[in-house]
Amino acid sequence: QLQLQESGPGLVKPSETLSLTCTVSGGSISSSSYYWGWIRQPPGKGLEWIGSMYYSGNTYHNPSLKSRATISVDTSKNQFSLKLSSVTAADTAVYYCARYQTGTASFDYWGQGTLVTVSS
Amino acid sequence: QSALTQPASVSGSPGQSITISCTGTSSDVGSYNLVSWYQHPPGKAPKLMIYEGSKRPSGVSNRFSGSKSGNTASLTISGLQTEDEADYYCCSFAGSGTWVFGGGTKLTVL
Repeated sequence: QLQLQESGPGLVKPSETLSLTCTVSGGSISSSSYYWGWIRQPPGKGLEWIGSMYYSGNTYHNPSLKSRATISVDTSKNQFSLKLSSVTAADTAVYYCARYQTGTASFDYWGQGTLVTVSS
Repeated sequence: QSALTQPASVSGSPGQSITISCTGTSSDVGSYNLVSWYQHPPGKAPKLMIYEGSKRPSGVSNRFSGSKSGNTASLTISGLQTEDEADYYCCSFAGSGTWVFGGGTKLTVL
């Protein structure tokens, strides 16, 4: 059974960089059928797609984040990561990592999510 | 890239049917048959319920169905059960490798 688990600091100061890691277990991050993505949910709001990455490096990002988001993959650790620079209070959210399956064009496995608060 | 439009809330009694709409534009919902729906209980991970507009993953009840007309996709839940109570989100491919979610709909089973 595939499992995804987010990890990282729960508190980040304004203007700093938010860094999260998603550890994938029960399957290989190097599979050709999947992308790996990040999605967030600000308090009281809906889901927002942040970006997705193929294990070989092909990456797509939400243009609304104005290039602040960087997604990378570490195949040796079966992990992928998110870095979001110059954070503000508006970046406070529950951050989810998820697997995107190309065959069904959908996010079929999700982590439990981790709350990141941006505050001084 | 604007969020897809969903009603903030819908409600129904056990056994009834409800439909949740998801309105986008000709750049996302209207251009691709790549709408998916997710059930999101509070404090839990979202669960895929419908993909490619109308297909159900293995293990998802056939009480859940999806459809699309023009720029609007819909999720219908028939034979409502109390366990269906959750937030529901639609998601559409928006071109150039990007995706957009709806604002979410809170389903209350009365």
